[in-house]
Amino acid sequence: NAGVTQTPKFQVLKTGQSMTLQCAQDMNHEYMSWYRQDPGMGLRLIHYSVGAGITDQGEVPNGYNVSRSTTEDFPLRLLSAAPSQTSVYFCASSDPWRGGSGELFFGEGSRLTVL
Amino acid sequence: DAKTTQPNSMESNEEEPVHLPCNHSTISGTDYIHWYRQLPSQGPEYVIHGLTSNVNNRMASLAIAEDRKSSTLILHRATLRDAAVYYCIPGGYQKVTFGTGTKLQVIP
Repeated sequence: NAGVTQTPKFQVLKTGQSMTLQCAQDMNHEYMSWYRQDPGMGLRLIHYSVGAGITDQGEVPNGYNVSRSTTEDFPLRLLSAAPSQTSVYFCASSDPWRGGSGELFFGEGSRLTVL
Repeated sequence: DAKTTQPNSMESNEEEPVHLPCNHSTISGTDYIHWYRQLPSQGPEYVIHGLTSNVNNRMASLAIAEDRKSSTLILHRATLRDAAVYYCIPGGYQKVTFGTGTKLQVIP
């Protein structure tokens, strides 16, 4: 059971480059979300989605785009990377609407460095 | 969203019980209380959750105050592997936000 899979695990970008962080889950979860965690800090919510075709902004959405065309995938796009986006990015999913605990399942993280 | 207050850090001796407090005085009546922890260099993992009654699972116990304005995560016998940042998260299932949590240090 793969759970939540994030790719790539590590990435180095130059300022101004664009890239997409991939997130896929095989648990048929409706809810998915992206967080960033800067060194020594807590997690901050970037964007979230309650189902295919529905996305919304979290605490720190600027500089990031998301889309949700399928239940399984929730990619995070950086349109023009900036050094301030250097961080570890976590994807999470849950499905609280089917009688479960609503717990979030997290991926292993993607470490992004922007030079 | 309900505001939470947790100690920045706590220490415990190995194999002793640990009580991690959380104040969430603005919690609404339908909000669950979730606890997660984050081990070093890993993503967060679910620990336990509850609504009104105290809850137990294989990892921990959750004691919820009668007025629901506070809760306490109880680790019955702390091990070195329990050294982590513990997050208390009251709220619904959408737009889940993490505070700064409590960093637990376990002393051998």
